[in-house]
Amino acid sequence: QKEVEQNSGPLSVPEGAIASLNCTYSDRGSQSFFWYRQYSGKSPELIMSIYSNGDKEDGRFTAQLNKASQYVSLLIRDSQPSDSATYLCAVNQGNTGKLIFGQGTTLQVKP
Amino acid sequence: SAVISQKPSRDICQRGTSLTIQCQVDSQVTMMFWYRQQPGQSLTLIATANQGSEATYESGFVIDKFPISRPNLTFSTLTVSNLSPEDSSIYLCSVEPRRHTEAFFGQGTRLTVV
Repeated sequence: QKEVEQNSGPLSVPEGAIASLNCTYSDRGSQSFFWYRQYSGKSPELIMSIYSNGDKEDGRFTAQLNKASQYVSLLIRDSQPSDSATYLCAVNQGNTGKLIFGQGTTLQVKP
Repeated sequence: SAVISQKPSRDICQRGTSLTIQCQVDSQVTMMFWYRQQPGQSLTLIATANQGSEATYESGFVIDKFPISRPNLTFSTLTVSNLSPEDSSIYLCSVEPRRHTEAFFGQGTRLTVV
């Protein structure tokens, strides 16, 4: 069983729509969760971090965490073509500082 | 956040040779991390580099192949030794300025072995 799982996609949404990205993890001891965006040929860029159950909003992005169900999601409102990228879910392994990454979900926002 | 300078940004190397990648951070950090991203894949942790101690390697990675130095709190190097085409990947350094919080990445080094 993979430790962090994401649908690889591609997830295709029209411009202006809400994109919903999901991630599940296996380590119940994890306390820190992150979403990174990676454009082709570039390094990952942190867009959201979440540590507590519930929602965390930052501009057009909302991260949602449910530790009981072991899932974390990312919502992107008013999706733009510039949001087209691979989104990586990362979980801090047992609070060691080591990040375990999912396979990433490729998002395509069509004009 | 942290500003991380990684170099070289890319290199093409002959098989059997080695490549050393440098990572410089603009602030002192306790731990630095080295990741590999193979073509079309996600990131896999190679090792954790702590200043003043030996690096800690993840399963499947060994010191002879990936020696790491961490001479001070702002700098680390990763060497990929005895290169083969299978080592063609992007190598990334990462730091966690505040423990157990966000991690930030360098620009990455794209290695091609021919």
